[in-house]
Amino acid sequence: NAGVTQTPKFQVLKTGQSMTLQCAQDMNHEYMSWYRQDPGMGLRLIHYSVGAGITDQGEVPNGYNVSRSTTEDFPLRLLSAAPSQTSVYFCASTKPQGAHGANVLTFGAGSRLTVL
Amino acid sequence: AQSVAQPEDQVNVAEGNPLTVKCTYSVSGNPYLFWYVQYPNRGLQFLLKYITGDNLVKGSYGFEAEFNKSQTSFHLKKPSALVSDSALYFCAAGGAGSYQLTFGKGTKLSVIP
Repeated sequence: NAGVTQTPKFQVLKTGQSMTLQCAQDMNHEYMSWYRQDPGMGLRLIHYSVGAGITDQGEVPNGYNVSRSTTEDFPLRLLSAAPSQTSVYFCASTKPQGAHGANVLTFGAGSRLTVL
Repeated sequence: AQSVAQPEDQVNVAEGNPLTVKCTYSVSGNPYLFWYVQYPNRGLQFLLKYITGDNLVKGSYGFEAEFNKSQTSFHLKKPSALVSDSALYFCAAGGAGSYQLTFGKGTKLSVIP
């Protein structure tokens, strides 16, 4: 299994440009999410999805859009990039374990984005 | 709101010595607690989790964690550190059935040969 695949691994943008970070998983996981990792701040949840057609905001959603048209894919869109969005982005997924389950996340390798 | 604190930005330990990486949490109700490890330029990998039951949880690569409800702590431990254990370690917390984990800021572990 490939697990969670993120593309691109590296990207440099100019302020105001748009781009999409791709995330795909082949584990039939219903839940997918996007985090950003910044030094000294740990991981912060941007958006998440509990299934195709269903998305919701996390802790830091501003400036990002998501959609979930298939179970496998969960792209993250930056409509007008800003230097504050310079970060490492991680996609993560899991198969829900029910109301009393512990949902262990599987992470992608990350996408490093620099906005000039 | 739930929160996770990792009070040490960096922990240095000599190879062969025991290691501890500290974590405290604040979660409503019974906590579900996790440790993840991140090697350079890689995504996070799951190490272990606590749901209920035995306060000492064993995980991957010889790591274990001790849950202490009265101190709201979930410290990561290993009896004998290896140089290959050098990495960034994250503690995370959530509620039962919750997808939305709250992560600590991470602790960089350096094992010195």
